[in-house]
Amino acid sequence: DGGITQSPKYLFRKEGQNVTLSCEQNLNHDAMYWYRQDPGQGLRLIYYSQIVNDFQKGDIAEGYSVSREKKESFPLTVTSAQKNPTAFYLCASRRDEANYGYTFGSGTRLTVV
Amino acid sequence: GQSLEQPSEVTAVEGAIVQINCTYQTSGFYGLSWYQQHDGGAPTFLSYNALDGLEETGRFSSFLSRSDSYGYLLLQELQMKDSASYFCAVRAAAGNKLTFGGGTRVLVKP
Repeated sequence: DGGITQSPKYLFRKEGQNVTLSCEQNLNHDAMYWYRQDPGQGLRLIYYSQIVNDFQKGDIAEGYSVSREKKESFPLTVTSAQKNPTAFYLCASRRDEANYGYTFGSGTRLTVV
Repeated sequence: GQSLEQPSEVTAVEGAIVQINCTYQTSGFYGLSWYQQHDGGAPTFLSYNALDGLEETGRFSSFLSRSDSYGYLLLQELQMKDSASYFCAVRAAAGNKLTFGGGTRVLVKP
């Protein structure tokens, strides 16, 4: 079955460490996105990529970095510069140009310990 | 930039009808989407309106008025499994990305 796989499901990070969240899709979608969700809040865009080897900053890119070396993969690195990284991170790809629907992965819950 | 407003919470009983309103302010507009998210889960796509009017998909319908910068999601014949958060999201002209509202938590009671 096609879909988006995010790993790990839960991640614990010590302060000052960089961590990388994985996002892989086998849907053959060009566009991919990273969102952050805090408890009881909406989704805020971190980075997005519309094509391989190209990506743009979203609304809250500070303290994060991404790469898009392959169509299937869009990893997100949470750096030590991100002062409040504890959140639920969601990766998505754009499913359909006609209705602009996104397909989301199941998310990674990151906690700073 | 873009901003969206929707109510934070709605409570209703099984079998009832719920309307979740969403007003938006954007620099340019392509369309309004709706997503459902159960606690701890991933958002799932419900609908997308690019033109004015009502789109019906089973028990759920979505409406858009571009002139009023307003849309709503209508949930009919509510079921317990409809308890979830519902997000509106706008696709603005500046870049192919969605900006999400803060979400409306719908609680369905027996």
